[in-house]
Amino acid sequence: DTEVTQTPKHLVMGMTNKKSLKCEQHMGHRAMYWYKQKAKKPPELMFVYSYEKLSINESVPSRFSPECPNSSLLNLHLHALQPEDSALYLCASSPGGAGETQYFGPGTRLLVL
Amino acid sequence: AQSVSQHNHHVILSEAASLELGCNYSYGGTVNLFWYVQYPGQHLQLLLKYFSGDPLVKGIKGFEAEFIKSKFSFNLRKPSVQWSDTAEYFCAVYGGSQGNLIFGKGTKLSVKP
Repeated sequence: DTEVTQTPKHLVMGMTNKKSLKCEQHMGHRAMYWYKQKAKKPPELMFVYSYEKLSINESVPSRFSPECPNSSLLNLHLHALQPEDSALYLCASSPGGAGETQYFGPGTRLLVL
Repeated sequence: AQSVSQHNHHVILSEAASLELGCNYSYGGTVNLFWYVQYPGQHLQLLLKYFSGDPLVKGIKGFEAEFIKSKFSFNLRKPSVQWSDTAEYFCAVYGGSQGNLIFGKGTKLSVKP
């Protein structure tokens, strides 16, 4: 299994809603990542979890809250988002450190109204 | 800070034309280099990577890239493009203490049938 899966595929939420994005991999990878990608732009790193511990937080606003319940799962909890947070949210995983090949999921396309 | 430059924003080719997409990076130490492709509506897929060894690396779908250390470059090539190669191509670099993968801004390739 060489897949990273993400749910939901699409999400529409209001600015007062609370929602969560989910990511799962069964490749035994020990590093997992959240990226944000705006249209026609490269992915921007948000968070890195290494061995289930948050190792990098790229100064992301607190309305985004990551969680890594175990080595296969990565969540991104969303609360009080702004319309400018609308984007494609990508999850990725790599066997170990960030220098290794990262495998990306299909993303969750988020629209904040 | 480390940076990755992709000089071509949009490249338009006819089928069977040869392709070369430029990628330059700024870090002077040991680097891991990647090319990812994002087909319309699909997720990022790894085309090829370079960690060490032969600087000419071959990837999937007939793509190859050459690492030239003295030029800080990792250009992507394909001898004969197909309409199905229409996609966004991202160069990415990992190096040193940055701790994360740095993406270039991407090059959109449009292949006319």
